[in-house]
Amino acid sequence: EAQVTQNPRYLITVTGKKLTVTCSQNMNHEYMSWYRQDPGLGLRQIYYSMNVEVTDKGDVPEGYKVSRKEKRNFPLILESPSPNQTSLYFCASSFGDRTEAFFGQGTRLTVV
Amino acid sequence: AQKITQTQPGMFVQEKEAVTLDCTYDTSDPSYGLFWYKQPSSGEMIFLIYQGSYDQQNATEGRYSLNFQKARKSANLVISASQLGDSAMYFCAMRESNRDDKIIFGKGTRLHILP
Repeated sequence: EAQVTQNPRYLITVTGKKLTVTCSQNMNHEYMSWYRQDPGLGLRQIYYSMNVEVTDKGDVPEGYKVSRKEKRNFPLILESPSPNQTSLYFCASSFGDRTEAFFGQGTRLTVV
Repeated sequence: AQKITQTQPGMFVQEKEAVTLDCTYDTSDPSYGLFWYKQPSSGEMIFLIYQGSYDQQNATEGRYSLNFQKARKSANLVISASQLGDSAMYFCAMRESNRDDKIIFGKGTRLHILP
């Protein structure tokens, strides 16, 4: 089954404790992105990658890192999480621009 | 200026009726894609339908159709024969042919289907 898989689905962590949210897609998509969704602010792009070893900042990259060592994986790293990073995070992938993007199930992160 | 505008924050519709969710967009790019996503209360983002700017015909996917009016920059979602399971938040989104892979989302419309 074609899908984008994020893990974990839910995470509660403490300020400053490094964490990684994994994202994997099995559709051989080149494009992958991370978004965060916050009430009143909608979905905002954090980082994106248009191919292996090619990543770039989106609208809200501060406090996040990503890597794209393999085509299928695009982990999101929070080196020192803070409470303002409490949010619902989505990974998305697609073949390219102007094609539909498929989203993972979402990761609900709470930083206390 | 907003690039995607959804003017209906919430809607209540009787089960089995058709419903139209409004979306207008703003772009100067001649090549773009328009999407609709459904987000149920469980939180996942479900892709519903896609319309390319050069597509001559309106997109359809089962009970979903996209009423694309290019001159008006309008991309309304039509759900025929609504079901209780259609209750969710619906997002209109656009992707321009730029190089940042960004999907721009509207603020969403919360649809409630009444039994």
